[in-house]
Amino acid sequence: TQLLEQSPQFLSIQEGENLTVYCNSSSVFSSLQWYRQEPGEGPVLLVTVVTGGEVKKLKRLTFQFGDARKDSSLHITAAQPGDTGLYLCAGDRDDKIIFGKGTRLHILP
Amino acid sequence: ETGVTQSPTHLIKTRGQQVTLRCSSQSGHNTVSWYQQALGQGPQFIFQYYREEENGRGNFPPRFSGLQFPNYSSELNVNALELDDSALYLCASSLFGDTIYFGEGSWLTVV
Repeated sequence: TQLLEQSPQFLSIQEGENLTVYCNSSSVFSSLQWYRQEPGEGPVLLVTVVTGGEVKKLKRLTFQFGDARKDSSLHITAAQPGDTGLYLCAGDRDDKIIFGKGTRLHILP
Repeated sequence: ETGVTQSPTHLIKTRGQQVTLRCSSQSGHNTVSWYQQALGQGPQFIFQYYREEENGRGNFPPRFSGLQFPNYSSELNVNALELDDSALYLCASSLFGDTIYFGEGSWLTVV
């Protein structure tokens, strides 16, 4: 059983469109992180959300942590080809970082 | 650049062989975690070392073992390699409980 479920698994959209990807769990997390991973590289941290209901913005990316601290979403506005990559959510559990399987995003020019 | 370096970057091994992967952590970091990432999957936690002691282990068999040295660098050893061990192995370093920083990984192919 996957502790963190990400959806969709794959998403291919046109440049300029908006999208939202989700990270859900039945467990409460003290914090959730979002990473982006490009081919041949390790994951790179985008943001950490800590407080239930928290919203963080990073340019065109908006991250939200659910009120119950069991889920999170990532919304991208006006997607660009440079946003292409594997988006991973991860939760802090007993001082270990546990990852979901990721959403593979492809932005078509 | 995260300051975490892994070696080798790519290697090919034969089923049944043993492999050692190395990780040099970011300066000042006392915690190293190892992850296995199969193609198309998210990273799976193997184990973590804090100040040279194992501090948690994921669902991996005993043939996956590790070490952390006094300078906080680390090794991952895998014995009796199986085809399913083919994956990207990621090392991440941190100060205990703080943000983790990943290296670029070691690609292992078992044939």
